[in-house]
Amino acid sequence: GESVGLHLPTLSVQEGDNSIINCAYSNSASDYFIWYKQESGKGPQFIIDIRSNMDKRQGQRVTVLLNKTVKHLSLQIAATQPGDSAVYFCAENSGGSNYKLTFGKGTLLTVNP
Amino acid sequence: DADVTQTPRNRITKTGKRIMLECSQTKGHDRMYWYRQDPGLGLRLIYYSFDVKDINKGEISDGYSVSRQAQAKFSLSLESAIPNQTALYFCATSGELASGGATDTQYFGPGTRLTVL
Repeated sequence: GESVGLHLPTLSVQEGDNSIINCAYSNSASDYFIWYKQESGKGPQFIIDIRSNMDKRQGQRVTVLLNKTVKHLSLQIAATQPGDSAVYFCAENSGGSNYKLTFGKGTLLTVNP
Repeated sequence: DADVTQTPRNRITKTGKRIMLECSQTKGHDRMYWYRQDPGLGLRLIYYSFDVKDINKGEISDGYSVSRQAQAKFSLSLESAIPNQTALYFCATSGELASGGATDTQYFGPGTRLTVL
């Protein structure tokens, strides 16, 4: 598959552990944030989103936390599985109604069995 | 996401050739986007379209052109391909559904791997 994870920050965890992936965003006017998962050779896949009027949102095995004070976003994956191995990146809508997203460079998560 | 399809999935071409990448979607979205992805650089926006008569340049539009043939189709052309256009290209869609719902979330196709020799 295509190597899209070169020179990325990496996180290596053991199967069953919890994973935390972090993202710093730059625009204090951003009002919508998304986490994507990208497996090798595939397109980015939507995981979970959060709006700026919230500080936490939970999905299935995933939780997104938003700290607007320090412009920080995190993705927590509970009981990480080998199938979670992928590049994860955040995206922000920099406010307004232009529906354009700015993407982070990503973090490569490797889950060891 | 099978709702967004891209053709071809892989393409090898030579410098100076004209190349067209196609994107189709069945999500009923009005907004479509073209990105390129390079190792270490993340996704960068090439062009985007909010409806059939609306085309906008993104941050790296030089050397590219697009055509929105219909609400469901958005194609990207490289008029004269050069080696530094070797990359992964992704199409994405977003928009309000007829039934209501998410607007800003973008859904991506599987990508086209383009190599320019």
